[in-house]
Amino acid sequence: AQSVTQPDIHITVSEGASLELRCNYSYGATPYLFWYVQSPGQGLQLLLKYFSGDTLVQGIKGFEAEFKRSQSSFNLRKPSVHWSDAAEYFCAVGAQGNTGKLIFGQGTTLQVKP
Amino acid sequence: GAGVSQSPRYKVAKRGQDVALRCDPISGHVSLFWYQQALGQGPEFLTYFQNEAQLDKSGLPSDRFFAERPEGSVSTLKIQRTQQEDSAVYLCASSSDREWNQPQHFGDGTRLSIL
Repeated sequence: AQSVTQPDIHITVSEGASLELRCNYSYGATPYLFWYVQSPGQGLQLLLKYFSGDTLVQGIKGFEAEFKRSQSSFNLRKPSVHWSDAAEYFCAVGAQGNTGKLIFGQGTTLQVKP
Repeated sequence: GAGVSQSPRYKVAKRGQDVALRCDPISGHVSLFWYQQALGQGPEFLTYFQNEAQLDKSGLPSDRFFAERPEGSVSTLKIQRTQQEDSAVYLCASSSDREWNQPQHFGDGTRLSIL
């Protein structure tokens, strides 16, 4: 069965430091992969997506992610974190069948220290 | 408005009551999704509509959950005889197409608390 694992429940980084959030997926074919961000009391906002082609994808707010098929990973990175990046981050994979259904990981809470 | 609108934002109900949650998708979006997000968890798929047709309801946890989208725009998620385990945030998302290159736009959700 398809699944997404985000190994880190909670991460704390200092403002200005680099960030990497981990995501591993289980999927038989080439996956459609997404990263979403959720601020408290808000819905989810799409940061970036990978469908095919270049394995390094750029997103909004200075985020990027790299697809590594050999490691079944799609880690999210940002070179310099801002206090406003504090939020919940979800990795998701598109379910088989091309219905638009998303399977989400458990999420990683990012705290930013001043 | 330009985004997906959900109402009410907060709903408190007593166990056993019926509740109805509303989703107004972005105008013209043909695909509509409902997700359930328990506290501290990622969203879990409930059901999917393409226009007025409910094409996938595999995620609905029991027959107490029912969703409809009769005119292909507004959708309602109804939960009958609510139980405490139904307490969660219910998220609605819409997309202009079911193809993956069209992103899903999420509403802010309805936080449902069952007492």
